[in-house]
Amino acid sequence: SQKIEQNSEALNIQEGKTATLTCNYTNYSPAYLQWYRQDPGRGPVFLLLIRENEKEKRKERLKVTFDTTLKQSLFHITASQPADSATYLCALGSNDMRFGAGTRLTVKP
Amino acid sequence: EAGVVQSPRYKIIEKKQPVAFWCNPISGHNTLYWYLQNLGQGPELLIRYENEEAVDDSQLPKDRFSAERLKGVDSTLKIQPAELGDSAVYLCASSLYSGQSSYNEQFFGPGTRLTVL
Repeated sequence: SQKIEQNSEALNIQEGKTATLTCNYTNYSPAYLQWYRQDPGRGPVFLLLIRENEKEKRKERLKVTFDTTLKQSLFHITASQPADSATYLCALGSNDMRFGAGTRLTVKP
Repeated sequence: EAGVVQSPRYKIIEKKQPVAFWCNPISGHNTLYWYLQNLGQGPELLIRYENEEAVDDSQLPKDRFSAERLKGVDSTLKIQPAELGDSAVYLCASSLYSGQSSYNEQFFGPGTRLTVL
């Protein structure tokens, strides 16, 4: 069966450092992979999309990589800030999107 | 522009009672999704509508869950009767469908938190 695993439930880092979150998947060949941010009591908010034929995507302090051979995506937040503290979800597919369980990131001042 | 609107935001009911959630998507979005999100988990798709047609309801527990989108705009998700295990956040999302082979960004509402006692 299809499985999406995000590397850890929680990640704590110091302000200014780079946060790296991992998303691994099995039994799936998605055309699209997305990363969402979710704050407590809110719905997920779209951050970045990467297609299966793309290796890397950047948006401001965010960078996503997509390795379809390893079946893995890495999500980086550089120069992290306390305001980046949230849960980050990876999602595969488009209309039939499947989400990972998320990683809760805490950036400490 | 208003985002996806959901109501109520919170609902507490006793088991075996019925409950209904309402969603108004972003204006012009023809595709509407209902998701269930358990604590500490990602959202799981329950049903997807394209206009008023349910095109994917394979994960909807049809013995107690039902949904409708009569005029292809707003939608209602109902549970009858509710069970303790139904306690979760129910999220609605919408997108502008541009084809099966295209990516269609989904915009989520704030969700309805259901507690079944």
